[in-house]
Amino acid sequence: DVKVTQSSRYLVKRTGEKVFLECVQDMDHENMFWYRQDPGLGLRLIYFSYDVKMKEKGDIPEGYSVSREKKERFSLILESASTNQTSMYLCASKGGPGTGVFFNSPLHFGNGTRLTVT
Amino acid sequence: RKEVEQDPGPFNVPEGATVAFNCTYSNSASQSFFWYRQDCRKEPKLLMSVYSSGNEDGRFTAQLNRASQYISLLIRDSKLSDSATYLCVVNDYKLSFGAGTTVTVRA
Repeated sequence: DVKVTQSSRYLVKRTGEKVFLECVQDMDHENMFWYRQDPGLGLRLIYFSYDVKMKEKGDIPEGYSVSREKKERFSLILESASTNQTSMYLCASKGGPGTGVFFNSPLHFGNGTRLTVT
Repeated sequence: RKEVEQDPGPFNVPEGATVAFNCTYSNSASQSFFWYRQDCRKEPKLLMSVYSSGNEDGRFTAQLNRASQYISLLIRDSKLSDSATYLCVVNDYKLSFGAGTTVTVRA
């Protein structure tokens, strides 16, 4: 079974702090994703990565950056946390190179980090 | 127009009832489709992939209509444990999510 682990279940940070959200997967998946989920808005893609050291902006990258130094780990960084970044953050991974048979493989999610910025 | 749209519900049904709902998508080149289930304050979990011929998994049936660009999910003989939000996911490389359809099954 695929396991995607997010380092914190709940986090409370102050405005202006630098925040690191960590995600690790154990299935040697090429693709990793960071989403945020807000009521009424659904899941929105922040960044994704299809290989080590590669990253692509999603729909709402502003205020965030990411790091993928190792295949199993994908970090989301809030450079200067703001109150509008209070949200549920979900990491996910997906097998394969993103092409061919792997294109249709599903996402596997971590259990989420509920971040509150005060 | 949103890439993926779902009726938010809520669909409030008695145990044993059948409930069905749709998800429409805007990109006709979308390749694959999924239904996820999300319980309150938990992460989404894969319910089923949707194949072009339609597919069934126990009490759950998924259909794809490419001509009209929608997928559907039907739940037969609803159980209390089916109460959840059901997310539609469309794979057009970046995986677009609907906002979810809430189903509440009452005793």
